[in-house]
Amino acid sequence: GAVVSQHPSWVICKSGTSVKIECRSLDFQATTMFWYRQFPKQSLMLMATSNEGSKATYEQGVEKDKFLINHASLTLSTLTVTSAHPEDSSFYICSAPRSGRDQETQYFGPGTRLLVL
Amino acid sequence: GENVEQHPSTLSVQEGDSAVIKCTYSDSASNYFPWYKQELGKRPQLIIDIRSNVGEKKDQRIAVTLNKTAKHFSLHITETQPEDSAVYFCAANGVGQLTFGSGTQLTVLP
Repeated sequence: GAVVSQHPSWVICKSGTSVKIECRSLDFQATTMFWYRQFPKQSLMLMATSNEGSKATYEQGVEKDKFLINHASLTLSTLTVTSAHPEDSSFYICSAPRSGRDQETQYFGPGTRLLVL
Repeated sequence: GENVEQHPSTLSVQEGDSAVIKCTYSDSASNYFPWYKQELGKRPQLIIDIRSNVGEKKDQRIAVTLNKTAKHFSLHITETQPEDSAVYFCAANGVGQLTFGSGTQLTVLP
């Protein structure tokens, strides 16, 4: 089946630093990838849609200058959390839809747990 | 945009009993409704999905029903087992992106 990888799986950083998270589709091409954030015991909240070859689309309330998204190729999207603060600590998950004959199934990466001290 | 509501937030059942989780959606344009199972600290795993041209779909112990008119869909798990314990999310896909429900913590008691 389709596989999406994410790196790193966890990261601890000091407040004020920037953190880059990579999302790769390993055996299919993805012109679109999605970035979610999940706080403990809460649902997945869509942050932005990453589009290959064009600017990302951000959901309301998500700062585009803080969460930089670059869809560098058909298999790679990166999310950079700039000047991270403790409130940015969360579980970040990407997903990529793989078009099938009748549907678009989304495959999730394993997630990146970010802890900002 | 799409709004998905999910109930209940927690559900405890005895092993062997059935579990039902219900979701409603707001956007009549939504046409794809997946259900995900998420274990603690792990990625959501697709367990079953249904499209709007189908009213019911079954895969072994898991079934999903969809009522387009009422805009609600449900997950049914029969003969529950302890390994079914997890958080379950419904989702609706209207314009190429998923909107998730708030999740249901299912606990299957041995």
